[in-house]
Amino acid sequence: QSVLTQPPSVSGAPGQRVTISCTGSSSNIGAGYDVHWYQQLPGTAPKLLIYVNINRPSGVPDRFSGAKSGTSASLAITGLQAEDEADYYCQSYDSSLSGSWVFGGGTKLTVL
Amino acid sequence: QVQLQESGPGLVKPSQTLSLTCTVSGGSISSSDYYWTWIRQPPGKGLEWIGYIYYSGSTSYNPSLKSRVTISVDTSKNQFSLKLNSVTAADTAVYYCARGQLGSTHCDYWGQGTLVTVSS
Repeated sequence: QSVLTQPPSVSGAPGQRVTISCTGSSSNIGAGYDVHWYQQLPGTAPKLLIYVNINRPSGVPDRFSGAKSGTSASLAITGLQAEDEADYYCQSYDSSLSGSWVFGGGTKLTVL
Repeated sequence: QVQLQESGPGLVKPSQTLSLTCTVSGGSISSSDYYWTWIRQPPGKGLEWIGYIYYSGSTSYNPSLKSRVTISVDTSKNQFSLKLNSVTAADTAVYYCARGQLGSTHCDYWGQGTLVTVSS
């Protein structure tokens, strides 16, 4: 059971827009801690996609965007492409249990 | 371009100690701007933060692993290391080293990961 809750899977057709939610609580996202997103292609290491809620590292297309509100965050992907098929993880900090970096359980994106 | 590379045994026996090293190239591990982090991923499962170390040697560990984990740094070799003792099959995972940003909790550079299997 992950501290941050993500849907196990989402899907969309090429060109469409999909969103992935990340739901936390008052000890993590709701406490104001930042949310980050990673993309993990099959058999590879995670890649930073969004940091500090809304920022994209250099080289990440602007088709990817992040948002945060209350105890939740979301990742939106517009103009879906076949190469976007991957696992996506959200990450934050949790102040309970002496503090810890925490991840969501991951969401598998399927491009139909 | 910063690169991180994990190394260590791919097979560890139950109850023994898992030891991994991460070699950093293209940047100094002594920079005051970064945390040096270990994260793992059991086969088919999600990511779990293990802990991090700062170049000064200060550390922070996942409370669920804290009693078994030690992370150390060797600035002369530009390396940091992970030791996890009393391992069980539940510790079988791909272990990643990564660079974390000071003042945040995100990791911008990751190693390719190394699979460690706990089995007799």
